[in-house]
Amino acid sequence: GAVVSQHPSRVICKSGTSVKIECRSLDFQATTMFWYRQFPKQSLMLMATSNEGSKATYEQGVEKDKFLINHASLTLSTLTVTSAHPEDSSFYICSASQTGQGGTIFGQGTRLTVV
Amino acid sequence: KQEVTQIPAALSVPEGENLVLNCSFTDSAIYNLQWFRQDPGKGLTSLLLIQSSQREQTSGRLNASLDKSSGRSTLYIAASQPGDSATYLCAGQDGSSNTGKLIFGQGTTLQVKP
Repeated sequence: GAVVSQHPSRVICKSGTSVKIECRSLDFQATTMFWYRQFPKQSLMLMATSNEGSKATYEQGVEKDKFLINHASLTLSTLTVTSAHPEDSSFYICSASQTGQGGTIFGQGTRLTVV
Repeated sequence: KQEVTQIPAALSVPEGENLVLNCSFTDSAIYNLQWFRQDPGKGLTSLLLIQSSQREQTSGRLNASLDKSSGRSTLYIAASQPGDSATYLCAGQDGSSNTGKLIFGQGTTLQVKP
């Protein structure tokens, strides 16, 4: 079946550096992908909608210059956390939907720790 | 604005019990509703998807219902097993088309004791 692959699964970085997270749709094309953030013991909050070939749409309160999203192909979206700070430490997870299918498929998530 | 709420936040039951997890949403104009399972530190696994025109879906020991008029969905787990221990999330997709954008509830953390 359709799979969304997210990489890396875990990353530890120093404060002030940037981290890139990849989200790939396997065996299907995704014109739209979504990026969510989950703090410990909390639910998922949508950060932005990634649109292939155009700018991402960010949810209210999400800094677009801090969380750079690029969706250059129909199977790949990337989220770059720029100038990361400890408060950016979180679980980031992407999702995509298959055209004509109702359900949403999630990646495995990325645990980001900023030290 | 669609809001999704799950009750209870946590639940502990002995193995073998049947149980019901509740999910409510504020806007009946919901495209579909999906139940997910999340194990600690892991991503989401889709359990059941109920389309707007449907009232329930079943998969094995799981049954999910959707009542748009009352703004409720339930996930029924029959004959619970320790392996069912996880956090269960419901998520609604807004609007009249498949945008893929989901609004999540806070989740119910289930513990099934052997």
